[in-house]
Amino acid sequence: SYELTQPPSVSVSPGQTARITCSGGQLGDKYVCWYQLRPGQSPVLVVQRDDKRPSGVPERFSGSNSGGTATLTISATQPVDEGDYFCQVWDSNLAVFGTGTKVTVL
Amino acid sequence: EVQLVQSGAEVKKPGESLKISCKGVGYKFSSFWIVWVRQMPGRGLEWMGIVYPGDSDSRYGPSFEDQVTFSVDQSNDIAYLHWTSLKTSDTATYYCARSYGVAVAGTGMDVWGQGTTVIVSS
Repeated sequence: SYELTQPPSVSVSPGQTARITCSGGQLGDKYVCWYQLRPGQSPVLVVQRDDKRPSGVPERFSGSNSGGTATLTISATQPVDEGDYFCQVWDSNLAVFGTGTKVTVL
Repeated sequence: EVQLVQSGAEVKKPGESLKISCKGVGYKFSSFWIVWVRQMPGRGLEWMGIVYPGDSDSRYGPSFEDQVTFSVDQSNDIAYLHWTSLKTSDTATYYCARSYGVAVAGTGMDVWGQGTTVIVSS
């Protein structure tokens, strides 16, 4: 089955840029979505179709997908951005989530 | 406002059956897929499968085939996730989410329920 690998954790200082990677076989041939999961809350879609922000998502969230790696970038990171982030793709009509990355804003 | 409203927390014993629900509000329920996602304690998100309320077409993730069943009450815009015999390993939070499905390439799960916590313990 298809697998997506993310780093377990990323630490960033407030106001700095956080980059979260997602790796998978021929990932550049698929569309990638990203979800934010904050403690005690439901997941929120922050990027779809590799680099499209849904309505209401702050502009500091951006995405890219090239080769075998997709990247979620959080610019000017704020304490409210702390949480877990998951990438997701469709493979053979089934959805697959990445392993997840915990973002800590120190 | 577009919402998915899930049923409340459950505490069950191993071997018992359970059905949890997810009600669509504020949109045409039959036109979007409903995804079910599991989050076990301290773990990541797992895609359980997807059901289309319009015709109850369902697809299950490899780990969930024969473990759970999806169903839909079209009259009341409710999707259900059903277990016939719970295990302690089913302890988790379960989310439903709205999706355009694979047909609309690259779109994400844009509306999520608040989650239902299921605890299975003897």
